Amino acid sequence: KAGVTQTPRYLIKTRGQQVTLSCSPISGHRSVSWYQQTPGQGLQFLFEYFSETQRNKGNFPGRFSGRQFSNSRSEMNVSTLELGDSALYLCASKGGEKLFFGSGTQLSVL
Amino acid sequence: TQLLEQSPQFLSIQEGENLTVYCNSSSVFSSLQWYRQEPGEGPVLLVTVVTGGEVKKLKRLTFQFGDARKDSSLHITAAQPGDTGLYLCAGAGSGTSYGKLTFGQGTILTVHP
Repeated sequence: KAGVTQTPRYLIKTRGQQVTLSCSPISGHRSVSWYQQTPGQGLQFLFEYFSETQRNKGNFPGRFSGRQFSNSRSEMNVSTLELGDSALYLCASKGGEKLFFGSGTQLSVL
Repeated sequence: TQLLEQSPQFLSIQEGENLTVYCNSSSVFSSLQWYRQEPGEGPVLLVTVVTGGEVKKLKRLTFQFGDARKDSSLHITAAQPGDTGLYLCAGAGSGTSYGKLTFGQGTILTVHP
């Protein structure tokens, strides 16, 4: 069974730009969660989608948004990028009570 | 807001030593999970503890959930270089989906040969 796939692996953007990250969950998994990981703040929950509906949302500004498609693939978008948005963005698909994480997208904002 | 305090932040030990990592909160969690993350990869689930006082063993790793379900510990016996990595505890609040977890800051463990 293929794992969680995140693309791209690395991204370099400049302040003010926007970015879209993609996540393909494990086949059959309908729940996808997104987390931001930084050295200072650790892993912080962004949002969770289930069957194309946002089920939970973390404490991030409205510049962070996401969506889920009918095939369970998910995207997250960050608009008007700031230097502080530089982080590893992790996607996880949920199977039962287990989260399976992808390898993440490393975003650098210059 | 539920917070998880993890300690120590860094641990550098010699192969064969024992160690314990702690995860504490003032909040009650319905369950706690422990993950291990290696550089360039996402966290990998090691164990989930659900019942207060529960103890689970995974080879040389022993996980304990506090009686009040506010704290947990991870004990590694006879650490090996392959145990090196970032260890994270994560809690699921009552009635909250396992997709929304509160993570501790993590413990970076380095085991020297």
